[in-house]
Order: sequence, then C-alpha cells, then structure tokens
Amino acid sequence: AQSVTQLDSQVPVFEEAPVELRCNYSSSVSVYLFWYVQYPNQGLQLLLKYLSGSTLVKGINGFEAEFNKSQTSFHLRKPSVHISDTAEYFCAVNRNAGGTSYGKLTFGQGTILTVHP
Amino acid sequence: DTGVSQNPRHKITKRGQNVTFRCDPISEHNRLYWYRQTLGQGPEFLTYFQNEAQLEKSRLLSDRFSAERPKGSFSTLEIQRTEQGDSAMYLCASSSTGLPEAFFGQGTRLTVV
Repeated sequence: AQSVTQLDSQVPVFEEAPVELRCNYSSSVSVYLFWYVQYPNQGLQLLLKYLSGSTLVKGINGFEAEFNKSQTSFHLRKPSVHISDTAEYFCAVNRNAGGTSYGKLTFGQGTILTVHP
Repeated sequence: DTGVSQNPRHKITKRGQNVTFRCDPISEHNRLYWYRQTLGQGPEFLTYFQNEAQLEKSRLLSDRFSAERPKGSFSTLEIQRTEQGDSAMYLCASSSTGLPEAFFGQGTRLTVV
C-alpha cells in the first residue's frame, strides 16, 4: 500500500514571494507522483506529474516539483506566487505496475496555500 | 468533450432518504473512479470501474452505497438511508488504460440534515 504525508497543513505567503509545499510518500513499489490543485467548491485540477526521466518536472501556472527517490519526497515549488494561487494543493501517488498503472490515487491531507497582498 | 461532468453539484437531503449522483466521464476514457472528500481531508478512493465492470470497492463503501456503470459510459452512485456522516464532497474521475493520472469532475456536495 502507499501513503502520502503533506508536511504543512497551511502555508501563508506574501505575493511575489517563493513557496515550497512539502510532500513525502511511502511505498513498497515504484510509484507515479502528482500534484493537484483545488479551488473552493471545485474539483481537482492536475498541476503536474512525475512518471519517469528527469526528476524536475514543470507544470501549469509556473509550478514545478522535484522527485527525490532517496528521500521519498516530491516537493512543489513556485518562485513567485500570485494572489490567484490561493487554493488547496494535494500530493498524490499511483502504483507503477511495470510501466502501466492502475489509476487509483492515494492522496495526502492537503496544504492550504494563502497568498497575501 | 469538455471534461468530467457531475450532477447535481449540490444536494441537501434529510437523514434516511436515498440519493443518487451521476457522473459522465471524458468520452474516450474507459476507467471511472469515485472518491469521497470530507472537510480538511484529501479525497479517499471509493470504487473503480473499467468499462462496465466494477473492479474494486473500498472498505469505506458500506452496504448502503452502490455504484453502477451499466453501459461503460456514465456512472451513478446511490446512497441509501443517508446518515449525517455521509455529508461530504463526492468526486468522480476518469482515465484510460495506460494513463496514470485521473481527471476529476467538479464534484457533488452532499449535505445530510
């Protein structure tokens, strides 16, 4: 089984400052990794994904994340945040079954990012 | 196709009533998932269909919950004899074989009073 821990439940930051949202995972098998964003009363939107290859992945809205296998981490970063980035962010994993996947995601508890003017 | 569609967006029901939610996945996707999200938590997996076959159900899915995907297209999630603890956001997602990520709908927010 897989598990995901998001280390910060809330992250307040000022506009144009950098931000890092932390995610650690646990799995006995290889995994795919994802970050999703959820705006109030909305579904989840995929920000970025790590499947294989380069450990630094870039996503939408200027976000990027780095996969660190030795530390089992997949932290999300943005060099300069905007008010519109205020939302809840979820880290998720999916079992990598020999290059194919099952599609069932295990999510962390979420991190609420609040960007202040 | 503009994405996964869920109806209704909001449902308020009295305890003990039955409710049914509908999900229309992205048309070319053969996999469909239901998740439940309570306040302050991440989504939790409930059940998964590949085409019309229900391949996995979580232990979270009590006997009062039933899901169907009769023709391998849209799906319904029914909750019988609702309880206050069923109040949550119910999210539907879809994907295709070989596609690791899932695409989510806007969710149905259920409030049981």
